[in-house]
Amino acid sequence: KQEVTQIPAALSVPEGENLVLNCSFTDSAIYNLQWFRQDPGKGLTSLLLIQSSQREQTSGRLNASLDKSSGRSTLYIAASQPGDSATYLCAVLLFAGGTSYGKLTFGQGTILTVHP
Amino acid sequence: GAVVSQHPSWVICKSGTSVKIECRSLDFQATTMFWYRQFPKQSLMLMATSNEGSKATYEQGVEKDKFLINHASLTLSTLTVTSAHPEDSSFYICSARATPSYEQYFGPGTRLTVT
Repeated sequence: KQEVTQIPAALSVPEGENLVLNCSFTDSAIYNLQWFRQDPGKGLTSLLLIQSSQREQTSGRLNASLDKSSGRSTLYIAASQPGDSATYLCAVLLFAGGTSYGKLTFGQGTILTVHP
Repeated sequence: GAVVSQHPSWVICKSGTSVKIECRSLDFQATTMFWYRQFPKQSLMLMATSNEGSKATYEQGVEKDKFLINHASLTLSTLTVTSAHPEDSSFYICSARATPSYEQYFGPGTRLTVT
């Protein structure tokens, strides 16, 4: 059974700091990995999608890396801003043929607070 | 990115009535959609996987007769909570999966309150 763990559970940083959120998964036979952001009372916003054949993806101040063999992904946020405050979730989709193919498995999330 | 909408965004209903929530993929077709439930300060709980033109697949412990899911077209899935009770009050979120990337896009959620 795929398990996804996110560290840290919560993070509080001053504005302008660069930060790294970590995600690990137990089954390396993934199809892709997604990073999401969720604001309180809202749905999830897809930030970055990394296919299993890729090692990283970048969007603006965000960079996500994937090391499938070690079961790890990191989300790097550069020059953090108060507007980045949210819960960040990573989720993996198992490769076709797996018994759980088709369902995202989520981590518990990292609650990020960026204070001015 | 692709957009998924949900309607209504919030609804209050009386115990014993039924409520229908719509989920639409606005700019792409989705053969597979998902319905989640989220309790305060908790992660998402998958309720069911909805495939266009076929019956939904429910997760263990989810009552299929209570949570009716219909995926009648490639852009619309509906969740009907039948005979709602206060314990059904929750935040319901749908998502749609795009192909061939298999990227999943989420709706803004529906807050259901049963009185």
